[in-house]
Amino acid sequence: ETGVTQTPRHLVMGMTNKKSLKCEQHLGHNAMYWYKQSAKKPLELMFVYSLEERVENNSVPSRFSPECPNSSHLFLHLHTLQPEDSALYLCASSQTGGGTDTQYFGPGTRLTVL
Amino acid sequence: GDSVTQMEGPVTLSEEAFLTINCTYTATGYPSLFWYVQYPGEGLQLLLKATKADDKGSNKGFEATYRKETTSFHLEKGSVQVSDSAVYFCALSDGGNYQLIWGAGTKLIIKP
Repeated sequence: ETGVTQTPRHLVMGMTNKKSLKCEQHLGHNAMYWYKQSAKKPLELMFVYSLEERVENNSVPSRFSPECPNSSHLFLHLHTLQPEDSALYLCASSQTGGGTDTQYFGPGTRLTVL
Repeated sequence: GDSVTQMEGPVTLSEEAFLTINCTYTATGYPSLFWYVQYPGEGLQLLLKATKADDKGSNKGFEATYRKETTSFHLEKGSVQVSDSAVYFCALSDGGNYQLIWGAGTKLIIKP
């Protein structure tokens, strides 16, 4: 595997389910990100981890819970979601998280909440 | 706060046409500017970037020049191909934290 991988690619869940999204980067980067992409809206940064420490948390509801066990893996744990949480969830990584860093994105998980 | 404004899409062109996608920004400092592209079913990937005024980023026939006087970073390509059909995102970074400020994206459709 190369680059940034995400699993699953598609997920359908009910509002009472608990599920997790997984992201893995094979680039040796130190920073990882979760974004939410909704139709016709700018990308929303949800969480940033640098060297496995959370450094940004942009007022995301507590029903989204991130976990970064090491610099290569990032999870997003989901529970009691709402239909408006349906979106494409993108994971990204960058070398250090600095302002001019290129971010490398995975293909995303298309989440549908029923 | 900082912001990025892109032209609304979709933009529909014929193959070999000239492309311009407008991007303007507001920022208090001297941001770095980026264009990312998202092909169908994929994540975003960096297309080009510029880190200071008058810099020109270029890649795959696309160009954009960092214009501080007009606070713009318009994306151009002289002759588009069907394979350029994608969503294009303009973004800026003020360098102070991990966050990029994103435009809403412009969908480009190229017809053969």
